[in-house]
Amino acid sequence: EVQLVESGGGLVQPGRSLKLSCAASGFTFSNYYMAWVRQAPKKGLEWVATISTSGSRTYYPDSVKGRFTISRDNAKSSLYLQMNSLKSEDTATYYCARQESSFDYWGQGVMVTVSS
Amino acid sequence: DIQMTQSPSFLSASVGERVTLSCRASQNINKYLDWYQQKLGEAPKLLIYNTNNLHTGIPSRFSGSGSGTDYTLTISSLQPEDVATYFCLQRNSWPLTFGSGTKLEIK
Repeated sequence: EVQLVESGGGLVQPGRSLKLSCAASGFTFSNYYMAWVRQAPKKGLEWVATISTSGSRTYYPDSVKGRFTISRDNAKSSLYLQMNSLKSEDTATYYCARQESSFDYWGQGVMVTVSS
Repeated sequence: DIQMTQSPSFLSASVGERVTLSCRASQNINKYLDWYQQKLGEAPKLLIYNTNNLHTGIPSRFSGSGSGTDYTLTISSLQPEDVATYFCLQRNSWPLTFGSGTKLEIK
């Protein structure tokens, strides 16, 4: 059974940093692209980042480019999202997702609140 | 960026009714269109990928169609467990973009 479990969320002040983690199990992690998708409170979904199987290619929307960094450790079946220079508009639930072209499996999400 | 417009924003229908949700792209997305279902308090779940392919375990009452810029999700006979918000996603080009969602409730 595919499982994705996010961790690392919490309350952080504007301008500070936070690193999210996602532990994957139930599939061969190194064979799949992985992604982060977020959802602001009572809002829609926003794609945040994608990483290739080896980690050599990464993709971001302009809203987070230069501030967020997606990475992975295939030996640990883990995905990460380093978030720097956080803004209030980054407040959201962050989902880790397996990206078999589509986002075919999702974690339960972790909440990040950016507030002073 | 490709803009995705979903309609209606809110839909109320009766159990057993046929329901149609729409998603329109601002340019041709070559059928790289997915549908996701999100129930209250849960993570989204993939329903349909590449316009008309049912994801594993999804009931056959769900179907998708479309081409070019216009896409449709159809529920052939609405069930109480289908109450959710439905999002479309285009994967034709970066950045990947979601529609704003259609909230579906039972009348």
